[in-house]
Amino acid sequence: DSGVTQTPKHLITATGQRVTLRCSPRSGDLSVYWYQQSLDQGLQFLIQYYNGEERAKGNILERFSAQQFPDLHSELNLSSLELGDSALYFCASSIGLAGGFPYEQYFGPGTRLTVT
Amino acid sequence: GENVEQHPSTLSVQEGDSAVIKCTYSDSASNYFPWYKQELGKGPQLIIDIRSNVGEKKDQRIAVTLNKTAKHFSLHITETQPEDSAVYFCAATFSGYSTLTFGKGTMLLVSP
Repeated sequence: DSGVTQTPKHLITATGQRVTLRCSPRSGDLSVYWYQQSLDQGLQFLIQYYNGEERAKGNILERFSAQQFPDLHSELNLSSLELGDSALYFCASSIGLAGGFPYEQYFGPGTRLTVT
Repeated sequence: GENVEQHPSTLSVQEGDSAVIKCTYSDSASNYFPWYKQELGKGPQLIIDIRSNVGEKKDQRIAVTLNKTAKHFSLHITETQPEDSAVYFCAATFSGYSTLTFGKGTMLLVSP
């Protein structure tokens, strides 16, 4: 158990809908990362937050957004869902930011999103 | 941006054999290289990592080596066991930031 929690574990929804995925980082971790895992694209970085502020963006679609709250939990919002958004969504956390060497990232169990 | 190539995509070994998975990266500024193990239905689990100021690191049956000149790093698993069967991912940082770029993964199957 990494200490990172994600809810829900599974989510089934229809095209055009909007969903919210939730992540709680390990105790003491300030950075949260969101990743998407699909068979054809592998594990892809979406977005990073550090202590409530957005710090880095990867291959995140404009239909997707995220935020990190004062208690450090994070939510990933996916809207206008398409069939191709079906994937595993992982949250990871680390203790801080990279000044020199990066910190270890620990992954949660993921949310499996199915868009029908 | 950073690109990480991982080989092989699948690897079958007999229990007790060694397994080697290799990755190459493109960004010479990369300075952190973790390896993750992902079992079916679970999230990636960090198993070992290496930083650019070290050439080799070992933890029991697993080891990682880094060749900065050639920009490649490898995972070595000795005395493999059936419970080592999983998908293994290598990753590298992108230009000194902490966001990770992952390889496509290697499915390791250890037969008893």
